[in-house]
This record gives sequence, structure tokens and C-alpha cells, in this order.
Amino acid sequence: QQQVKQSPQSLIVQKGGISIINCAYENTAFDYFPWYQQFPGKGPALLIAIRPDVSEKKEGRFTISFNKSAKQFSLHIMDSQPGDSATYFCAASGRGSTLGRLYFGRGTQLTVWP
Amino acid sequence: DTAVSQTPKYLVTQMGNDKSIKCEQNLGHDTMYWYKQDSKKFLKIMFSYNNKELIINETVPNRFSPKSPDKAHLNLHINSLELGDSAVYFCASSQQLAGAYNEQFFGPGTRLTVL
Repeated sequence: QQQVKQSPQSLIVQKGGISIINCAYENTAFDYFPWYQQFPGKGPALLIAIRPDVSEKKEGRFTISFNKSAKQFSLHIMDSQPGDSATYFCAASGRGSTLGRLYFGRGTQLTVWP
Repeated sequence: DTAVSQTPKYLVTQMGNDKSIKCEQNLGHDTMYWYKQDSKKFLKIMFSYNNKELIINETVPNRFSPKSPDKAHLNLHINSLELGDSAVYFCASSQQLAGAYNEQFFGPGTRLTVL
């Protein structure tokens, strides 16, 4: 069973545009929602993360929006750049049986055209 | 200075063979993990060790055996390799197992191809 559902599978954006990737979850034990960025041939690296006690977190051009009641969260990349072209994974972790486990979405392949 | 390193980067082997992948972290973290990334890029946790103790074993076939000789190392041994084991295996580490901000640092991955 997929714990975290991610969409779209792929995304093509023009340079300077906004990239939006969406994720949804069901397990209310989740209390930590990171986004990871992976370049070809490399391991995933943490991009930005949020806890459910805030509705938004911004770091530079990257923003996470979090809707606790809808159990959804999304990544917005403003002023998208060709260097942002990578695979993005949302993930979730939390308490109890989910402790220490990062449950990943299936990833979004982002391509930013110059 | 590589934070999480893995060897080898590539591993090509025949079905039925036994192989090992090594992982080392120099971050002083207590917790280490093994993840499997399949051909569709889906990442799934396999194991987690905290202070050399196995904490998570995510219904992985017992052909896979992790070993942690110390907190800085977590190796993965695979017996009787099968075609379906072909994937990229990532080692990761985090400061602790618990806590909402257990940022996990991933290694560069080992691409295993079973022929």
C-alpha cells in the first residue's frame, strides 16, 4: 500500500515559471514531511521539510504548503531554473510504527526548459 | 569529505552469487539505513540500525543480511542473488532514529545488476 501518493509523475516547466508538485497521505501518525531532490547518478538530498503545526515553510525559491485537514502537502518552486531539473520526492515519517521510516512518494521528474 | 560513502558504485554479477555492499558515514550519526530504489525510481526502506542494533526490518527476504560492526558502518550482504534484486541500493544515516527532524543523509548509491 502506497503510504504517500505523489503527482504528477513528470512536469515540464519553462525557465522562470512555477513548478508545483502535490502529495497526499492517510496515516495520521505522520508528523514530519520532507522533500528530497535527486539528480541522476546521485543519492537523494533533503531540500526542505515541514511539521504539521505550520501551514507553510519557505526557503529561498522553495515553499512547502501544508493542509493538515486535507492530509495534503505540496512543493512550489518559484522562478524555476534549468539547474532545478531533477527528480523530486515527497516523504513522510512520524510516531509509533512509522518511527524512523521515511515513506517516499513515487517521485516527480521535473524538467525546466531554458 | 564524503559524509556517507558506499562501495562499490557498480556491481554486476550472475544469478545465484553472493555479494556485499559497504557503507560508512563520518557524520557521527547514531542511525543508519538501507534503501532500495527500483527501476521506476521508487525508494523503499529495507533496514535501519540504531547504535548497532537492528531496529527496522521491512519484510525483506532473509537472503539480505545487514551487519553493523560499529556505529559508522553498515554493510549489506546478499545471498543467492536473483534477477529481481537488480536495483540501486542507497545507504543513509541520521543523527537519531526518533524525532521529527531526523534528516537522513544518503550515500551515492550502488547500482546492482544481476544477469
